[in-house]
Amino acid sequence: LAKTTQPISMDSYEGQEVNITCSHNNIATNDYITWYQQFPSQGPRFIIQGYKTKVTNEVASLFIPADRKSSTLSLPRVSLSDTAVYYCLVGDGQNFVFGPGTRLSVLP
Amino acid sequence: EAQVTQNPRYLITVTGKKLTVTCSQNMNHEYMSWYRQDPGLGLRQIYYSMNVEVTDKGDVPEGYKVSRKEKRNFPLILESPSPNQTSLYFCASSPRTGRYSNQPQHFGDGTRLSIL
Repeated sequence: LAKTTQPISMDSYEGQEVNITCSHNNIATNDYITWYQQFPSQGPRFIIQGYKTKVTNEVASLFIPADRKSSTLSLPRVSLSDTAVYYCLVGDGQNFVFGPGTRLSVLP
Repeated sequence: EAQVTQNPRYLITVTGKKLTVTCSQNMNHEYMSWYRQDPGLGLRQIYYSMNVEVTDKGDVPEGYKVSRKEKRNFPLILESPSPNQTSLYFCASSPRTGRYSNQPQHFGDGTRLSIL
């Protein structure tokens, strides 16, 4: 299973764009990359998923280079309510490996 | 409302006393999974189930059992709990997944277990 690494924490200010990168050097051909957001006392919540290149939805973008050994979650114009832990997840639909998570603090 | 429900939400118990954490989903999902979350380690997969009567080990299955007799329920069983199983547990479900068909998981709100 692919092991993932992420920065432990990041700080940002309201209105800024935040980019969080996850490394997954041993990603397998069948693996997808998924990002989740977690608030205290809650389960993780799905943000975005991709296999390669770029994916965009109403809340985020996901950039995946051609070699797929890393991925970057981009949050445009963050607000205070985006303060949470963000997890990168690599898996093939059965086995999943969560990264250690990045604690994002958005400051006013 | 579509949801994954875990019970209990909190439990304090003693070493060796068998316990079961229930998980139920109302979305008719085929895939269900259990994770434990520990500080500094993120979430680690314990067991998963691709469908009724189909279960398999995740990364950290030792000391746990599961069953999938019905599609909606996926209980986690600790036959003889030990203090190192003190953790926050999450159940998750998703529609059918498989090779090249990965679906996002819906998570419950967690069960905090303390084993003394």
